[in-house]
Parts: sequence; structure tokens; C-alpha cells
Amino acid sequence: EAGVAQSPRYKIIEKRQSVAFWCNPISGHATLYWYQQILGQGPKLLIQFQNNGVVDDSQLPKDRFSAERLKGVDSTLKIQPAKLEDSAVYLCASSFKGAETQYFGPGTRLLVL
Amino acid sequence: GEDVEQSLFLSVREGDSSVINCTYTDSSSTYLYWYKQEPGAGLQLLTYIFSNMDMKQDQRLTVLLNKKDKHLSLRIADTQTGDSAIYFCAAPRGGYQKVTFGTGTKLQVIP
Repeated sequence: EAGVAQSPRYKIIEKRQSVAFWCNPISGHATLYWYQQILGQGPKLLIQFQNNGVVDDSQLPKDRFSAERLKGVDSTLKIQPAKLEDSAVYLCASSFKGAETQYFGPGTRLLVL
Repeated sequence: GEDVEQSLFLSVREGDSSVINCTYTDSSSTYLYWYKQEPGAGLQLLTYIFSNMDMKQDQRLTVLLNKKDKHLSLRIADTQTGDSAIYFCAAPRGGYQKVTFGTGTKLQVIP
């Protein structure tokens, strides 16, 4: 069974530029999560989708971050414009509907200069 | 304060046992998790325990849960150099399918 796929694996941009990350969850997983992991910290939930609907985006900085999951499968997370403090690893995870066990992708490492 | 707390660092000798501890605040009856993160990788689910259990053993891994004290521990027997990684505890946060991750414990195994 294929795991959670993410791309790109690495991205370097300058502040005020835009960037987008892509995630494809495990087949059949209705719930998709985006986390931000700053160096030395645990993952922090940014947004949670159930199919193509948003369940929780309370910690998403909506002035610059946006995410969508239009067909209830893959998802895109966008930052526009990026700030220095957005430098982090962005992790995507998925789970079956009604289950809490989450399976993580390899993450995208973002460096904002 | 933090919902899930862990000590930051643990160093053990190869072959010894490692014990990583975690405390949490939310008492929702559900699962609690241990994840492992190797350098440059995502989080790998190691094991989990349902909150009505006291102990779960899975090969070299033993999870102990003290629900009264909201304390979770992970014991790794016969620790190997390949066990060197950051270990995250995840506990329920309240709400549908929500967990909070601890800050992670970096395990260093000395050959």
C-alpha cells in the first residue's frame, strides 16, 4: 500500500514570495491534515479536512495561508506571501474516517530567506 | 502550559533499556500514540494504546499508561543505534479525531 506522498521535498524562497505544497493521502483515507513543524518542536495542526470539507482551521494564519482539497483526495497548501518565520517542515497526514491513527508523509522542508 | 509534555533529551548505551515519558492533560477516552521521527523524515507510527488499558507490549516496545496521573511511557528494550531518533507522544485534544503532539524526546544511543 502506498503511503502519503508529498512534493516538493525541499523549497527555498525569499520572503514575500509565494509557495505551494502538494499532498496525496493514502487511498481511502477521508481525513487529511496539514501540520507545521518548526525546528525543535512537535507538529502543530494547521488545518484538518474531512473529505473536501474543513473540520478545523483554527490555527491556520488565514491572512497568508490557504489550503484546499477540492475533490476530497489530494490537497494543496499555499503560503502567500511567505515570512521568515514560516521556515519549517510542512507535514501532511491522513487517516480513515472516524479513526485517530494518522499516517504521515515525508514532509516538505521550507526555507524562507 | 503545554497540553503534552516530554523531556527533551535521553542518552543511553546500546543494549540498555530506554524509557521515554510523557504527561498529558486531556482525559478523553481514546487512543494515545508514540511516533518516531528520524532525521529528514516524517513521523512513523510506532505503537498506540487505548485509554482503558494499562500496558501494551509489542516486541521490544512496552507502553505503560497511568490514566489517573495522565502519564504515558515508552520503554524500548535492548536499545540499538537504529533507535536513535526523536520520539513524539500524541494525546487526544478534544474534538473529532484531534491529537496534540508533545515537543519530542531526542534519544541518543551510544555504541
